[in-house]
Amino acid sequence: TQLLEQSPQFLSIQEGENLTVYCNSSSVFSSLQWYRQEPGEGPVLLVTVVTGGEVKKLKRLTFQFGDARKDSSLHITAAQPGDTGLYLCAGARSSGNTGKLIFGQGTTLQVKP
Amino acid sequence: NAGVMQNPRHLVRRRGQEARLRCSPMKGHSHVYWYRQLPEEGLKFMVYLQKENIIDESGMPKERFSAEFPKEGPSILRIQQVVRGDSAAYFCASSPFDYGYTFGSGTRLTVV
Repeated sequence: TQLLEQSPQFLSIQEGENLTVYCNSSSVFSSLQWYRQEPGEGPVLLVTVVTGGEVKKLKRLTFQFGDARKDSSLHITAAQPGDTGLYLCAGARSSGNTGKLIFGQGTTLQVKP
Repeated sequence: NAGVMQNPRHLVRRRGQEARLRCSPMKGHSHVYWYRQLPEEGLKFMVYLQKENIIDESGMPKERFSAEFPKEGPSILRIQQVVRGDSAAYFCASSPFDYGYTFGSGTRLTVV
């Protein structure tokens, strides 16, 4: 059973375009994290959102946690080729780092110059 | 990712052999997690350990797989009598007491 659904699974866009990746669930999470993974490497944490409705910005990346803490989105403005990679959302059920993460299946982003 | 050390990076085993994957968490991190990733997929939780304790092993296959995190030394994920379906990337993550996990670079296991 896939508890976190990411969409789209694949995205190929031109440099300069905007995009949004969605992460949806029917379950409530205490926090939700976004990771980026390069080929042959482990995931690298981008952001953690904890409060329903929370919005965090990281340069051209904007992350939002849904009011009900069941969904999240990642918006990238003016994408660049360096943004290419696998983006993963992951939800935690327990507060703090005392439990497992449930990962979405990932969104593979390709930004063409 | 340099803080969480996993070795080996690549491991090739014949069917029926044993695979031992090692993970040294970041300094000061007492929580260790193991995840498995199949090609083009997200990560699947396997086991969560603290020093000398298995806290949650709900993602571990019932047979052939075991994990430990001894008082001294790295955490070990052990797969006995490997089969082709065990071929995957295995990632270890460690964490302190606030949000955010640090992942290692993974061990890519290939069973031939």
